[in-house]
Amino acid sequence: QSVLTQPPSMSGAPGQRVTIPCTGSSSNIGAGYYVHWYQQLPGTAPKLLIYGNTNRPSGVPDRFSGSKSGTSASLAITGLQAEDEADYYCQSYDSSLSGWVFGGGTKLTVL
Amino acid sequence: EVQLVQSGAEVRKPGESLRISCKGSGYSFTTHFIAWVRQMPGKGLDWMGVIYPGDSDTTYSPSFQGQVTISADKSINTAYLQWSSLKASDTAVYYCARLAPNERYLDYWGQGSLVTVSS
Repeated sequence: QSVLTQPPSMSGAPGQRVTIPCTGSSSNIGAGYYVHWYQQLPGTAPKLLIYGNTNRPSGVPDRFSGSKSGTSASLAITGLQAEDEADYYCQSYDSSLSGWVFGGGTKLTVL
Repeated sequence: EVQLVQSGAEVRKPGESLRISCKGSGYSFTTHFIAWVRQMPGKGLDWMGVIYPGDSDTTYSPSFQGQVTISADKSINTAYLQWSSLKASDTAVYYCARLAPNERYLDYWGQGSLVTVSS
């Protein structure tokens, strides 16, 4: 059971918009800690996708965006492409655990 | 260019010891935390712990405290993850990753080291 909750799987058709939620609590996202997102393509290491709730590292397409509200955050992907098929993980910091925490991950399928 | 290069795949028997490595280059190794992350087969990411190579100050996730040892040799820009007695449940891919300066996210990742524990 992960501290941050994500749906195990989601899907969307090419060109569509999908939003992946990440639900936390008052000791992590709700405490004001930033949320970060990682993309893991099949058979590869995770890659930073969004940091500090809303920021994209250099090279990440602007089709990817992040938001945060209260004890939840979300990753939005617009103009879905076949290459976006991957696992997506949210991550934050938890004060009660005094450590970093990941969501359980969401497997995104492009139909 | 920042790079984290990890040691190769390992196969061990239960009860054996193991140390895997993560060599950093292209940045100041001593002033950036290194984290270790476990990914069991078909599962998600688990934060194991972090080390500050400058002084080897280490923090473990409660789930991994006492189960593994994280260390670093700053003279050769290398961090380590070791086990004294492996279990079959330690079978996983282990990633090292760099914490972004003064932040709590992982900006660069190693390629992963597959550890297989089987009798």
